[in-house]
Amino acid sequence: DIQMTQSPSSVSASVGDRVTITCRASQGIKTWLAWYQQTPGQAPKLLISAASTLQDGVPSRFSGSGSGTDFTLTISSLEPEDFTTYFCQQSSSFPYTFGQGTKLEI
Amino acid sequence: VQLQESGPGLVKPSGTLSLTCVVSGGSISSSYWWTWVRQTPGKGMQWIGEIYYTGITNYNPSLKSRVTISVDKSKKQFSLKLNSVTAADTAVYYCARASAYDAGWYFNLWGRGTLLTVSS
Repeated sequence: DIQMTQSPSSVSASVGDRVTITCRASQGIKTWLAWYQQTPGQAPKLLISAASTLQDGVPSRFSGSGSGTDFTLTISSLEPEDFTTYFCQQSSSFPYTFGQGTKLEI
Repeated sequence: VQLQESGPGLVKPSGTLSLTCVVSGGSISSSYWWTWVRQTPGKGMQWIGEIYYTGITNYNPSLKSRVTISVDKSKKQFSLKLNSVTAADTAVYYCARASAYDAGWYFNLWGRGTLLTVSS
């Protein structure tokens, strides 16, 4: 299985800050990576596909980059609604695997 | 389009977990893979497996011996059965829809999730 290592597991920040979350794959996955946002009690939401493609309706303050084994999710200027959990997922090979998640805290 | 999971909430050890996901507001017979994912505080998200509307399945090798995913097109639903459950199978179970993108398949639609507890 491809292991997805996400860091940090939690990060404290303030409204207006810039935050970067990292996801590292145990082997190369080209750009076959997605980022999701998960709010407690809600269904996860797809933010970014193919490492860098922002989904319709997702604010432009979110961006993704990377290829191969190293990927980042950046939120350029935090809004109050961004303080929740984010995780990555690879679809390069079965079984699909996920990062452990990063909790963004005020 | 919405997905809604349903299940018993509690299953006894060594028993069989059965969950159903209903697809509403859209067709189940489209080019998507209908998927089950579970989440635990300790292990995070785990992909269980997927099914195409034609019945083709893919399973996580770590669970393959215990898992069956099926689809009922007439009822617009797909189901998960996991047998010989233990406490380690206690999790929030999500159904999701995987769609094709430029590079890869990703889950652009999720159910709200259902908590399944394994306990006597």
